[in-house]
Amino acid sequence: QQPVQSPQAVILREGEDAVINCSSSKALYSVHWYRQKHGEAPVFLMILLKGGEQKGHEKISASFNEKKQQSSLYLTASQLSYSGTYFCGTGYGSGNTGKLIFGQGTTLQVKP
Amino acid sequence: KAGVTQTPRYLIKTRGQQVTLSCSPISGHRSVSWYQQTPGQGLQFLFEYFSETQRNKGNFPGRFSGRQFSNSRSEMNVSTLELGDSALYLCASSGGGLTTDTQYFGPGTRLTVL
Repeated sequence: QQPVQSPQAVILREGEDAVINCSSSKALYSVHWYRQKHGEAPVFLMILLKGGEQKGHEKISASFNEKKQQSSLYLTASQLSYSGTYFCGTGYGSGNTGKLIFGQGTTLQVKP
Repeated sequence: KAGVTQTPRYLIKTRGQQVTLSCSPISGHRSVSWYQQTPGQGLQFLFEYFSETQRNKGNFPGRFSGRQFSNSRSEMNVSTLELGDSALYLCASSGGGLTTDTQYFGPGTRLTVL
């Protein structure tokens, strides 16, 4: 049931773009994206909901393909501050639940 | 608005002891979820509390328990600690505890079991 993230790790130069994918074998209702820097708490980036609604940072873009049960996070013109580990958390069902199942994470390193 | 706070930030315990961790959610938030983070297993869901009731539980042994108070503050307890319990314990709060709500994480409690 754990979603699968790809790639596991990526190294970029400043200004380059990256895409991080999150795939589930089960029908998704919501996908939550977080970035975590070493020794810090995960920071909320974006939430994508079944039906197309999105909430999150203006500079971050993402997509949610309900048919493929997949979400992608797009990081464009990367900056050094983008470095960290990105997690997708998946919510199943529209019920009253705060339970999220997280992927294993994608480590992003941006070099000058 | 103050963020999610967790105390203590660091703990060192020995095997067999028990430990209690505390989480204060964002003001007005009624749902608190707990996660265990380890390098090998990643972020794993422990349980969720909403309005003082445990609403969801992850796949952890009964040594892991929690509760929520009327002010939404939550505690989790781990009894008979094992070496494998060493981890970063994170709590996250959300307003209504819906799948569609944003969850905000606290800084975590780093537990080391010797």
